[in-house]
Amino acid sequence: NAGVTQTPKFQVLKTGQSMTLQCAQDMNHNSMYWYRQDPGMGLRLIYYSASEGTTDKGEVPNGYNVSRLNKREFSLRLESAAPSQTSVYFCASSERRPGADTQYFGPGTRLTVL
Amino acid sequence: QKEVEQNSGPLSVPEGAIASLNCTYSDRGSQSFFWYRQYSGKSPELIMFIYSNGDKEDGRFTAQLNKASQYVSLLIRDSQPSDSATYLCAVQIQGAQKLVFGQGTRLTINP
Repeated sequence: NAGVTQTPKFQVLKTGQSMTLQCAQDMNHNSMYWYRQDPGMGLRLIYYSASEGTTDKGEVPNGYNVSRLNKREFSLRLESAAPSQTSVYFCASSERRPGADTQYFGPGTRLTVL
Repeated sequence: QKEVEQNSGPLSVPEGAIASLNCTYSDRGSQSFFWYRQYSGKSPELIMFIYSNGDKEDGRFTAQLNKASQYVSLLIRDSQPSDSATYLCAVQIQGAQKLVFGQGTRLTINP
């Protein structure tokens, strides 16, 4: 049981290049999330998927697209990378427990855009 | 006003003492509250969550929730150097699966 996995771990892009960040979970969770984390800003939600086949915008969706490929996989795409997208990206999935939806995070992808 | 606010610290506590971390939130519709621990360069890991007023204990950790005053706190008893990390408070609004995170409090336990 690997939990939430993310690839790649590190990536350097030039401005204008595109790339896809991959995320997979093996916990049979319905909901999945993409966050970015910048120094002093905490975690900010980019997009989330409440269930297979649905996606919704979070707090900072501009410049990103997502695909919920199946129940296990949720990818994040940068079509034309910008230096402002330099950040650490975390994927998470959640399970419903009495009183709360608890989220579990992947190891993160550290992205630098030059 | 930010939705979830934490003192960014750093908070320095001697080993063996009680560390107290605080978080306030603005939305009275918030229903569930989470504490995550994040070591430098690592991903957040869930410590505990609370959704009823009062205290919830798990080992050395106690979460306290006061909905009337809109704050939630985390107490760490018998603090250890391994507790040195950034602690993130997160809030789930009723009817939504999304979490809103505070900016985190950096805690240092001094031997």
